Amino acid sequence: QVQLQESGPGLVKPSETLSLTCTVSGDSISTNYWSWIRQSPGKGLEWIAYIHSSGSTKYNPSLNSRVTISIDTSKNQFSLNLSSVTAADTAIYFCAREVEGIVVVPASWGLKERRKYYYMDVWGRGTTVTVSS
Amino acid sequence: EIVMTQSPATLSASPGEGATLSCRASQSVSSNVNWYQQKPGQAPRLLIYGASTRATGVPDRFSGSGSGAEFTLTISSLQSEDFAVYYCQQSNNWRTFGQGTKVEI
Repeated sequence: QVQLQESGPGLVKPSETLSLTCTVSGDSISTNYWSWIRQSPGKGLEWIAYIHSSGSTKYNPSLNSRVTISIDTSKNQFSLNLSSVTAADTAIYFCAREVEGIVVVPASWGLKERRKYYYMDVWGRGTTVTVSS
Repeated sequence: EIVMTQSPATLSASPGEGATLSCRASQSVSSNVNWYQQKPGQAPRLLIYGASTRATGVPDRFSGSGSGAEFTLTISSLQSEDFAVYYCQQSNNWRTFGQGTKVEI
């Protein structure tokens, strides 16, 4: 089955760059989209960015200037770099696979419509990153 | 940025009871809403995508509905394993999550 595993330093100093890697097994990273999401202590989920093997990327506008996401198809891995970190970046970082699903729904005149939806169906267990000197 | 607002923040219920969780988007997101369940120390688990389609392996006591800006996750009869935090997420423009609803005993 598909598995994702995050790896990287658990402790990063303020103002430095947080670097994490997600290793994918059971699926080719050359298909689908691949995302990073984080969860601050006791808080909700925050989407950071995603990448497709084509090189297409999308970033959370609130983090855009500090985030870089990249992909290495030869290693079946994708990575996250978050620069100029502060204590506010302390969180559990998850990587996830985002897939495109097709749902057929009834449409007008007895016809059917194919709708595309995007959702994160497989997640890594998460890795805790603490920002502290 | 599309803001997803969930209510209530906490829902207290007993096993066997039904539960209705709400999610409101700050603007229309069509049917591009997913629901996830998260238990302590675990990653989120996909329950519903496209507002109403159950993910593989999800029990049919979970159902989703809504479109536009108003969405609902319904659990018809709570089982002990359903006590968790539930998040809605929109995929219409970038990606944003709601702040979560904790379903507790």
